[in-house]
Amino acid sequence: DVKVTQSSRYLVKRTGEKVFLECVQDMDHENMFWYRQDPGLGLRLIYFSYDVKMKEKGDIPEGYSVSREKKERFSLILESASTNQTSMYLCASSFRQGRGEQYFGPGTRLTVT
Amino acid sequence: AQSVTQLDSHVSVSEGTPVLLRCNYSSSYSPSLFWYVQHPNKGLQLLLKYTSAATLVKGINGFEAEFKKSETSFHLTKPSAHMSDAAEYFCVHTYNFNKFYFGSGTKLNVKP
Repeated sequence: DVKVTQSSRYLVKRTGEKVFLECVQDMDHENMFWYRQDPGLGLRLIYFSYDVKMKEKGDIPEGYSVSREKKERFSLILESASTNQTSMYLCASSFRQGRGEQYFGPGTRLTVT
Repeated sequence: AQSVTQLDSHVSVSEGTPVLLRCNYSSSYSPSLFWYVQHPNKGLQLLLKYTSAATLVKGINGFEAEFKKSETSFHLTKPSAHMSDAAEYFCVHTYNFNKFYFGSGTKLNVKP
């Protein structure tokens, strides 16, 4: 079974803190994704990585950065957390084009106070 | 332009009755289409996928979907709803497997 794990299920941080969200997949997928999910807005892509050290901005990259030093691990970084970054964060992975669907982690519910 | 429209934000059915969740897509290319389910505070789980093989696709938990190119639709159905089907469902489209387009989701309520 494909497994995508996220470092925390629930996280509470203060405004201005630097926040790291970690995602690890065990299926040797080339692609990894970070989404945020908000009621009424669905899933929005923050960043996408198609290979180690490679990244592309998604639809809402402002206030976020990412790191992919190893194929199996994709980190989302909130440089200075703000209350409008309170959300559910979902990580996903997939094979490169033509080979299949995305597999999702369980999500991290982040609250910034 | 690529997009996905889920026509109903909420659907309510009684247990044992059929389920129909509607999805229309817009694509300039041959699409691959997916349905995912999300239970509260959980990640998304794949129900089924269409990738240009048979147009009627069977998935897990008794769900199926039919790809209709002429109608640009990929509606999700189940003959008999179960209480455990109550969740949010997402229709997803891709043409290159690098960019995925999500519908806004349909919340399914199942009444006893």
